[in-house]
Amino acid sequence: GGIITQTPKFLIGQEGQKLTLKCQQNFNHDTMYWYRQDSGKGLRLIYYSITENDLQKGDLSEGYDASREKKSSFSLTVTSAQKNEMAVFLCASSIDRDEQYFGPGTRLTVL
Amino acid sequence: GDQVEQSPSALSLHEGTDSALRCNFTTTMRSVQWFRQNSRGSLISLFYLASGTKENGRLKSAFDSKERRYSTLHIRDAQLEDSGTYFCAAPNTGNYKYVFGAGTRLKVIA
Repeated sequence: GGIITQTPKFLIGQEGQKLTLKCQQNFNHDTMYWYRQDSGKGLRLIYYSITENDLQKGDLSEGYDASREKKSSFSLTVTSAQKNEMAVFLCASSIDRDEQYFGPGTRLTVL
Repeated sequence: GDQVEQSPSALSLHEGTDSALRCNFTTTMRSVQWFRQNSRGSLISLFYLASGTKENGRLKSAFDSKERRYSTLHIRDAQLEDSGTYFCAAPNTGNYKYVFGAGTRLKVIA
């Protein structure tokens, strides 16, 4: 078995701040994803990566950057945090386009 | 783009009863995955199907192998711990994007 870890678990930022979220997986999966989930809503894809150093935009990429430094890690940067923003950011990984495995999430609050 | 419709959007069940959640796709999908999201926000994978049916305890899922546009999740003998939000998801045709339904919020009551 494997595991996906996300750090930090909780992130509090200030308006305009640049914030970075990290995700690590030890499944040895090629594909990794970042999703955003607003309260009471479904998941929206921000970025995904099909291999090391690859980046593909999702439906919600504006305002975010991503980095796939190595196969096991995928980082997401909020380039300028928006005031009163609250969301959960979920990282996932999969082999090719098969079953996805999710991390526990990072909860973002912007003051 | 590809769309996913989940029904019902919300559901209340008494303990011990059975029910079915549904997921309709606007186009043919190669596979479907069902998740439950608990109160802490963790997404737990329940089933991944490329075709046919799978069963795990009181849960059973089916993916229509012919049309490949319809999937169900059956809950038998509902228990309080089944409460949560259930999502279905499928990989978009031609790329690696997954499309997610809006979810079914299930509450099981004693």
